[in-house]
Amino acid sequence: DAGVIQSPRHEVTEMGQEVTLRCKPISGHNSLFWYRQTMMRGLELLIYFNNNVPIDDSGMPEDRFSAKMPNASFSTLKIQPSEPRDSAVYFCASSGAWDGAYEQYFGPGTRLTVT
Amino acid sequence: QQQVKQSPQSLIVQKGGISIINCAYENTAFDYFPWYQQFPGKGPALLIAIRPDVSEKKEGRFTISFNKSAKQFSLHIMDSQPGDSATYFCAASKEQAGTALIFGKGTTLSVSS
Repeated sequence: DAGVIQSPRHEVTEMGQEVTLRCKPISGHNSLFWYRQTMMRGLELLIYFNNNVPIDDSGMPEDRFSAKMPNASFSTLKIQPSEPRDSAVYFCASSGAWDGAYEQYFGPGTRLTVT
Repeated sequence: QQQVKQSPQSLIVQKGGISIINCAYENTAFDYFPWYQQFPGKGPALLIAIRPDVSEKKEGRFTISFNKSAKQFSLHIMDSQPGDSATYFCAASKEQAGTALIFGKGTTLSVSS
């Protein structure tokens, strides 16, 4: 399996622009998680989905952030409009309890810089 | 109740020494405690995990010690090597499908040669 795939790997944008981050979970996994990592706040859970349904979005910082999971193999995290304080590394992770384990597999991350 | 507190924030250990990282949790409903290892430019990866029915789990040079009454758990890295230099995160959750992990803030380990 290719693992969790994220794109783009790096994104540089200007304040006010819309940013869309993409994630393809591991095939067969039914849970998907979006995290944000910064030096100050560490790894923060933003939102997670079970079977494509959002379960907990309490970590989404503001209404400027939105996430969708239209099918089992694709999810997006959108920031509109972006601000410099959104600069961080955004990780997507997936897990599947079908094998009896609850390990979350992380993607390589998207490094977002908002100028 | 959802926090996981991790210490120290950074750690420098000589090659061959023992690295110890500590975590404390508040929610007594947590029953799954993994440690993740992250190298620069990479996503975190599961290193070792423990469930509260045992007080210790060992995999190679890595050992988790778990104290249920104190609500604490720790990672011990024996014979630390320069290749162990990374950021380590403890986490906690309920062990059930589709449950989010609550992560500690991470410990940056540097093993000097």
